[in-house]
Amino acid sequence: NAGVTQTPKFQVLKTGQSMTLQCAQDMNHEYMSWYRQDPGMGLRLIHYSVGAGITDQGEVPNGYNVSRSTTEDFPLRLLSAAPSQTSVYFCASSSVGNTEAFFGQGTRLTVV
Amino acid sequence: AQSVTQLGSHVSVSEGALVLLRCNYSSSVPPYLFWYVQYPNQGLQLLLKYTSAATLVKGINGFEAEFKKSETSFHLTKPSAHMSDAAEYFCAVRSPGTSNQFYFGTGTSLTVIP
Repeated sequence: NAGVTQTPKFQVLKTGQSMTLQCAQDMNHEYMSWYRQDPGMGLRLIHYSVGAGITDQGEVPNGYNVSRSTTEDFPLRLLSAAPSQTSVYFCASSSVGNTEAFFGQGTRLTVV
Repeated sequence: AQSVTQLGSHVSVSEGALVLLRCNYSSSVPPYLFWYVQYPNQGLQLLLKYTSAATLVKGINGFEAEFKKSETSFHLTKPSAHMSDAAEYFCAVRSPGTSNQFYFGTGTSLTVIP
């Protein structure tokens, strides 16, 4: 089973460039989310979606956009990359209720 | 609002010793509780979850956690540490209701000393 698939695994961007991190899940989960992981700060929620066409901001949304046109896909767009966005990004999906989140393998992004 | 506190960002234990990783949460309603493990350069995988069926929850790799409502705690334990347990561990809560967001602690890095 594929589960949650993130691409790319690694990316280097120059300041000001834009890019899209892809996330796809094949478990028909309603809930999808993006986190960034930084040393000593755990996982911080960027944006989340409770279903196709519905998105909302998390704890650290500035500089990022999302959309959810299908149940399966939840891309994260960096509009104008900044060094402060250097991080490891994780996509996760889950059903609603008392169920766990399933995580992708992460995207390590470096902005120079 | 939900929050999760993991006491101790780094824990070291000797191989064969007891592992105790602490997690306290704040929630206005009984939350859903989870422990995840992250090995280097990998994503997070579920160790165990609290489903309200039993306060002592058993997970994979010999780990277990006990839900204590009076202490708002969900500490993770393993009787005997193995070298392969070295990893980052995250406690998480999920708020029931419409938002269904997960809230993660800042993580505890476990080192196992041979």
